[in-house]
Amino acid sequence: QQKVQQSPESLSVPEGGMASLNCTSSDRNFQYFWWYRQHSGEGPKALMSIFSDGDKKEGRFTAHLNKASLHVSLHIRDSQPSDSALYFCAAVMSNYNVLYFGSGTKLTVEP
Amino acid sequence: ETAVFQTPNYHVTQVGNEVSFNCKQTLGHDTMYWYKQDSKKLLKIMFSYNNKQLIVNETVPRRFSPQSSDKAHLNLRIKSVEPEDSAVYLCASSYRPGNYAEQFFGPGTRLTVL
Repeated sequence: QQKVQQSPESLSVPEGGMASLNCTSSDRNFQYFWWYRQHSGEGPKALMSIFSDGDKKEGRFTAHLNKASLHVSLHIRDSQPSDSALYFCAAVMSNYNVLYFGSGTKLTVEP
Repeated sequence: ETAVFQTPNYHVTQVGNEVSFNCKQTLGHDTMYWYKQDSKKLLKIMFSYNNKQLIVNETVPRRFSPQSSDKAHLNLRIKSVEPEDSAVYLCASSYRPGNYAEQFFGPGTRLTVL
């Protein structure tokens, strides 16, 4: 069973719009999360991490964590065509820094 | 340039052959990883090495064997490939485990098994 579940599977937003991605962990051993983005033909690149309850903002990207429900979300405001990519939520196993990835959300930003 | 480099970019082989993939990082990290990304884009950890020592082995078939000559290099050998081994193999690196350090990924090696 996958330790991290992501939704939606795919998402399409207009340029300038808001994209919202969701992630839930089924394992309470996970308390630290990353969001990674993967463009076609490239390896994933880290966007941001979160481990405290509440919001964390970095530029156009805002991550939110609810530790009680182990729910993580990523919101992208003013979406750009260059944001079109595969987005992964990943939970971290602390002792070994291993990433357990969700199934990904394919984001398409339409000009 | 500091980054994670992988060779080859692509490899096509037949069932039963042996293949080797190379990974080198110039970021000064001491921990390296191999992940497998399947045709559905699912990413799964295979191995993790810290300073040439294997620290994580995630239920990977025995035909897979990682090899590390120093902390900047981590190779992956697959003896007798199977069709289900067709995937993209991604190498990553980070600073020492236990501190939630960001992982930096290479571009991947795409393996096709005929």
